[in-house]
Amino acid sequence: DGGITQSPKYLFRKEGQNVTLSCEQNLNHDAMYWYRQDPGQGLRLIYYSQIVNDFQKGDIAEGYSVSREKKESFPLTVTSAQKNPTAFYLCASRVGPGRIGALLNTEAFFGQGTRLTVV
Amino acid sequence: AQKVTQAQTEISVVEKEDVTLDCVYETRDTTYYLFWYKQPPSGELVFLIRRNSFDEQNEISGRYSWNFQKSTSSFNFTITASQVVDSAVYFCALQNAGNNRKLIWGLGTSLAVNP
Repeated sequence: DGGITQSPKYLFRKEGQNVTLSCEQNLNHDAMYWYRQDPGQGLRLIYYSQIVNDFQKGDIAEGYSVSREKKESFPLTVTSAQKNPTAFYLCASRVGPGRIGALLNTEAFFGQGTRLTVV
Repeated sequence: AQKVTQAQTEISVVEKEDVTLDCVYETRDTTYYLFWYKQPPSGELVFLIRRNSFDEQNEISGRYSWNFQKSTSSFNFTITASQVVDSAVYFCALQNAGNNRKLIWGLGTSLAVNP
């Protein structure tokens, strides 16, 4: 089945450690996104990528890094510079600007999320 | 500036009641898109509907209906005869037709449907 897979579902990090959250999609989508969700808050954009080997900072990129070496994969690294990393992280993908379907501003498809806790 | 306001933080209803979730947006663009997503307790966001700014027709899908009114910048969502499975957080989002196509999210409305 086509979709977006995030792993792991739960992740525990010690202070000072870097951790990497995985996001893989087999929908052949160009664009991929990382969001952070805190209790009682909406989704905040961390990073996004509209094409392979290119990505842009979102609204809260400090303390995070990403790579987009393959179309299917958009891993997010939470670095030790992120002072308050405990949150729920959601990855999404959608048809991007490189395809005709992008003109339709199609919806984004989401993974099931990774809950990161600092211990 | 673009903004989405979901004034209702939490709503609690009894099963079979109708419930309306409000969404008010702000944008200076003439071309834009509005979305509703559902987030059940499992966490994944599920797409419900997309509406573009040129189409003000209301839409009905089963027990779900959406009322888009440009005059009041609102895109409200009504669930008819609510069920326990409708319990979730519902998000409204706005997207302009610009290059980055970022989604602007409301803070969500948590709906609890009690048996």
